[in-house]
Amino acid sequence: AQSVAQPEDQVNVAEGNPLTVKCTYSVSGNPYLFWYVQYPNRGLQFLLKYITGDNLVKGSYGFEAEFNKSQTSFHLKKPSALVSDSALYFCAVTDYNQGGKLIFGQGTELSVKP
Amino acid sequence: DTAVSQTPKYLVTQMGNDKSIKCEQNLGHDTMYWYKQDSKKFLKIMFSYNNKELIINETVPNRFSPKSPDKAHLNLHINSLELGDSAVYFCASSPGTRPSDTQYFGPGTRLTVL
Repeated sequence: AQSVAQPEDQVNVAEGNPLTVKCTYSVSGNPYLFWYVQYPNRGLQFLLKYITGDNLVKGSYGFEAEFNKSQTSFHLKKPSALVSDSALYFCAVTDYNQGGKLIFGQGTELSVKP
Repeated sequence: DTAVSQTPKYLVTQMGNDKSIKCEQNLGHDTMYWYKQDSKKFLKIMFSYNNKELIINETVPNRFSPKSPDKAHLNLHINSLELGDSAVYFCASSPGTRPSDTQYFGPGTRLTVL
């Protein structure tokens, strides 16, 4: 069965410092991995995805994520955090024969302080 | 131009009532979804339609009935509302059902059952 774990409910970083939001996954086939961001009282916005190929994926707003097959991880990173990055971040996974069904992690609240 | 729109944004109703939430996408996508986000922010897929055909039907009470009049619309009707139905409901769409297809989310409908 597919599953996603985001081990940290909350991540706190200072503005200007690098940030990492962790995600590990479990699928039976090849994983297709996504990161979404949710600002308060808003819908989810797509940040980036891993399909195949280069393990480092670049996305919107300066975010990137590193796919690590041996560790079954897909951590979200940004070299320099902004206060405006404060939001709820979701990792999601799917694979073939799921009809587009995304399995989401429980979310990580990112707080960036000035 | 809003890509995926939902109405209403807020819905407050009494237990036992019947209500509907509407979703429209102007992206030309073939596939649409309904997700439920509970009070702990956990996201779970409920239904998915591809070209007006139901393809994902998760373990959801049969009080919930989706209807897709055409590819651009997916509505959610809920009968005999219960307190536990209180949540935020998100509509999403994607080009198709391939695992690489990105899902784009609407702004959500916050349903409160009193």
